[in-house]
Amino acid sequence: EDQVTQSPEALRLQEGESSSLNCSYTVSGLRGLFWYRQDPGKGPEFLFTLYSAGEEKEKERLKATLTKKESFLHITAPKPEDSATYLCAVQVSRSGNTGKLIFGQGTTLQVKP
Amino acid sequence: NAGVTQTPKFRVLKTGQSMTLLCAQDMNHEYMYWYRQDPGMGLRLIHYSVGEGTTAKGEVPDGYNVSRLKKQNFLLGLESAAPSQTSVYFCASSSYGVTGYSNQPQHFGDGTRLSIL
Repeated sequence: EDQVTQSPEALRLQEGESSSLNCSYTVSGLRGLFWYRQDPGKGPEFLFTLYSAGEEKEKERLKATLTKKESFLHITAPKPEDSATYLCAVQVSRSGNTGKLIFGQGTTLQVKP
Repeated sequence: NAGVTQTPKFRVLKTGQSMTLLCAQDMNHEYMYWYRQDPGMGLRLIHYSVGEGTTAKGEVPDGYNVSRLKKQNFLLGLESAAPSQTSVYFCASSSYGVTGYSNQPQHFGDGTRLSIL
């Protein structure tokens, strides 16, 4: 069975304290891994797509990396406005041409000033 | 650019009542999805559509029906609401990838918060 697990469930950081969020996956064939940010009362907002092991993408203080078993979302010198829930999702080969995603449970990040 | 718009934003129903949630996208996307999000359960796929006139069941389809009569709209119906359907419902859409795979990111609306008493 295809599975996506995110850790930790919750993370509290001081402003400027860098850290990483983990998304580990066990799937039959990875087509793509997606990172989203979700603010309270809002829908998930797309951040990155990674397609193959070794790929990296950056946006401001965020950097996403991908290996054959997991992805990391590195947050460098976070600010309070980075506080949100970060969701990881995968698309697998057996989904055919449906675009279906399998989501992890999310990591809720709180950055204190 | 509106993206994905969901209506209504909030709704309270009584057990047994019916209602329809509307999702509209203006990005000309082929694929559309309905999810529910519950605490500790993550996002779970209810139904999806790969094109106008087509629908398919997702992970948790029981108690819901959908229709996609127009490419830009995807409707989610609850025929007889139950308290277990209290949730936040999200609609998403995505495009067909140029590689031949549908591995493009999904874009989400801001959700409908539904309470069933």
